[in-house]
Amino acid sequence: GQQVMQIPQYQHVQEGEDFTTYCNSSTTLSNIQWYKQRPGGHPVFLIQLVKSGEVKKQKRLTFQFGEAKKNSSLHITATQTTDVGTYFCAGPSYNQGGKLIFGQGTELSVKP
Amino acid sequence: KAGVTQTPRYLIKTRGQQVTLSCSPISGHRSVSWYQQTPGQGLQFLFEYFSETQRNKGNFPGRFSGRQFSNSRSEMNVSTLELGDSALYLCASSLGGQGAGNQPQHFGDGTRLSIL
Repeated sequence: GQQVMQIPQYQHVQEGEDFTTYCNSSTTLSNIQWYKQRPGGHPVFLIQLVKSGEVKKQKRLTFQFGEAKKNSSLHITATQTTDVGTYFCAGPSYNQGGKLIFGQGTELSVKP
Repeated sequence: KAGVTQTPRYLIKTRGQQVTLSCSPISGHRSVSWYQQTPGQGLQFLFEYFSETQRNKGNFPGRFSGRQFSNSRSEMNVSTLELGDSALYLCASSLGGQGAGNQPQHFGDGTRLSIL
């Protein structure tokens, strides 16, 4: 079946270092969404990318959608302790548009 | 604007029992989706409701069911509980016109269900 895979599963960084998580889908996606879940919290929507090759920035966060619309990345510049959490990518099912398929997530820890 | 509200926050049940979880979406949101989150399987889609109709369904057994009311509030029911049903159950709402997979999802805090 359709899969959305994320790497790495865990990432430990020193505060101030950069961080990148990668997302790959087994099928072409109409859009990709990114969420952040803090420890003990719920997923919070960060951004949605729709166009091939799209790049969007939110302060220190840069999101990219691949040209083939099958992969995406999230890059955080100069991490801070407030960036701690698990980052998920998610895309719609190719045959059930209302079904959102989540990647396994990348858990980021930041050492001060 | 109030966020997505889920009740109860915590629930402890024993095997074989049934449980009903409740979700009130953001005002104006007509789509409600349910997800199961476990450490091993991650976030898995259960089903989506829109205008009181189940519009999409994930790969869960028939013991998992849901419904949506005319005010968009939704309930999820799990019958004949099994140990493996222990999880965080998250509800998410969206405006709903294009299908939950194409719109940002706004999640509630979830219901932590523990099966003994």
